[in-house]
Amino acid sequence: DTGVSQNPRHKITKRGQNVTFRCDPISEHNRLYWYRQTLGQGPEFLTYFQNEAQLEKSRLLSDRFSAERPKGSFSTLEIQRTEQGDSAMYLCASSLLLGLDYNEQFFGPGTRLTVL
Amino acid sequence: GDSVTQMEGPVTLSEEAFLTINCTYTATGYPSLFWYVQYPGEGLQLLLKATKADDKGSNKGFEATYRKETTSFHLEKGSVQVSDSAVYFCALFLPSGGYQKVTFGIGTKLQVIP
Repeated sequence: DTGVSQNPRHKITKRGQNVTFRCDPISEHNRLYWYRQTLGQGPEFLTYFQNEAQLEKSRLLSDRFSAERPKGSFSTLEIQRTEQGDSAMYLCASSLLLGLDYNEQFFGPGTRLTVL
Repeated sequence: GDSVTQMEGPVTLSEEAFLTINCTYTATGYPSLFWYVQYPGEGLQLLLKATKADDKGSNKGFEATYRKETTSFHLEKGSVQVSDSAVYFCALFLPSGGYQKVTFGIGTKLQVIP
């Protein structure tokens, strides 16, 4: 199966620690997205990349958050000095840019972060 | 800003019952509308979509019609199965200079009992 993969699937950390998540998109997809999903809510957009360029960041992405996609393939999302409010499911999605119309985003299974 | 409102769950139905999950939206412009489904332990999957008014999206026995006059996109299925148990998300997309942000509703959990 060559779908979107995310690692780790679960992460438990103590408040104040740094964490890093990885997303491997579908290989030919040039767009990659990060979302956050808290309990009882739908996914909320955080940021997206076209190839290696980060083109948009949500207000939700505070300066403790940083995302990279160094070679236009996999991406990492780092959270520094984690807070309990960062506890959520972090979703990654990828798509193939075909134009301005919606290009279906394919989602990974997510990384569940718990900050104690 | 753009938003999606969908009914809160959980919705519990017996197998073969009729399903409706309500969804309404607010958007400046003419969005494309979607239903995504999330099965336990899996990522979100696109279930169906409609890109303009009066379009009907359908897949796996599910249907939804884009109603511009009521700004709605209700999900329906005539006869649900246990395997349909999942969380269903209504979502919208408005292109803006190539920006591909999708706005999701809160999700409605469906439980189908035998």
